[in-house]
Amino acid sequence: KQEVTQIPAALSVPEGENLVLNCSFTDSAIYNLQWFRQDPGKGLTSLLLIQSSQREQTSGRLNASLDKSSGRSTLYIAASQPGDSATYLCAAGNQAGTALIFGKGTTLSVSS
Amino acid sequence: GAGVSQSPSNKVTEKGKDVELRCDPISGHTALYWYRQSLGQGLEFLIYFQGNSAPDKSGLPSDRFSAERTGGSVSTLTIQRTQQEDSAVYLCASSFSDSNQPQHFGDGTRLSIL
Repeated sequence: KQEVTQIPAALSVPEGENLVLNCSFTDSAIYNLQWFRQDPGKGLTSLLLIQSSQREQTSGRLNASLDKSSGRSTLYIAASQPGDSATYLCAAGNQAGTALIFGKGTTLSVSS
Repeated sequence: GAGVSQSPSNKVTEKGKDVELRCDPISGHTALYWYRQSLGQGLEFLIYFQGNSAPDKSGLPSDRFSAERTGGSVSTLTIQRTQQEDSAVYLCASSFSDSNQPQHFGDGTRLSIL
């Protein structure tokens, strides 16, 4: 059974810092790896999707990498801003592509 | 609207009652997913629709839970004889049919069982 773990559970940084969020998964037979952000009381917003054949994806200040063999993904946020404060969720797509298995998230707080 | 719409946004009901939760996906999205989010368990997959068919129901926790989708659009998740452990936020997502398309989530229905 796929298990997704995110470390750390919470992170506080001053504005302007670069930071890395970590995600690990136990079964390398994934369809894709997705990163989302969730603001309090809201649904999830898709940030980046890495297909199983890809190694990384970039969008603006965000870069996500995928290493299937080691069961790891990282989300790199450059030059963090207070507006980046949210919970970041990593999800592994199951092999059939029918479901996402989520980690419990990293709650990020960026102070000005 | 442009996004996934869920109703009601909040629902409070008594233990033992049946509840129906509704999801309106983004127009043109053939794939639809239900998840639930609770403090202890995090986000859990419930069911996946492709059109009106549900090829993956593996996440439904018991036979009290069912879901349907009509016209390849609106979906309803029904919970019969609700229990207190059913209290959670129920999230719906939709996407284009290719599973390498990102899922777009609604804001969820917060269900509280008294």
